Amino acid sequence: DVKVTQSSRYLVKRTGEKVFLECVQDMDHENMFWYRQDPGLGLRLIYFSYDVKMKEKGDIPEGYSVSREKKERFSLILESASTNQTSMYLCASKAGGGKLFFGSGTQLSVL
Amino acid sequence: GENVEQHPSTLSVQEGDSAVIKCTYSDSASNYFPWYKQELGKGPQLIIDIRSNVGEKKDQRIAVTLNKTAKHFSLHITETQPEDSAVYFCAAGGNTGFQKLVFGTGTRLLVSP
Repeated sequence: DVKVTQSSRYLVKRTGEKVFLECVQDMDHENMFWYRQDPGLGLRLIYFSYDVKMKEKGDIPEGYSVSREKKERFSLILESASTNQTSMYLCASKAGGGKLFFGSGTQLSVL
Repeated sequence: GENVEQHPSTLSVQEGDSAVIKCTYSDSASNYFPWYKQELGKGPQLIIDIRSNVGEKKDQRIAVTLNKTAKHFSLHITETQPEDSAVYFCAAGGNTGFQKLVFGTGTRLLVSP
């Protein structure tokens, strides 16, 4: 089975800090995604990547950036963390078909 | 862009009852409609999906129906069990390559013994 691993399960940061969320997948998938999950809002797409060094904005990219230097790794960067970025962050990957494989998520708290 | 609405937000049923979750979408170009189940502390997992050239699909106790004309699709779970308790998300979009999915807001299903 595909494994999508997110580096941290829980993370607490201060406002203004630069935050890195890391995601690694082990099935050579071309496409990788970052979502945030908030109660009552579902899953919203922040950024996605369809190849190494390629990135596309999702629906809520403001305040975030991404990096994909290697095919298996997709990083989400919060340049200057703010309290409204407190959320559950989910990484996902897929091959050419429709099925997304999600990691277990990182619960980020910004104080 | 695509917009997906999902109802109800919470659903409580007795074990053995059926559960139905409904979603509507706005973009007629969407051709792929998956359903994901998220258990506590885990990421969402695909449980069933349907493509726009199919009206219904079943997998054991789970079925999904699609009405393209009305732009809505539904998840049906029969003979519910306590282990069906989870949050369910519908989504709509494309199914190839980097085509993105737009998710609904989720339904928390609670199955009581």
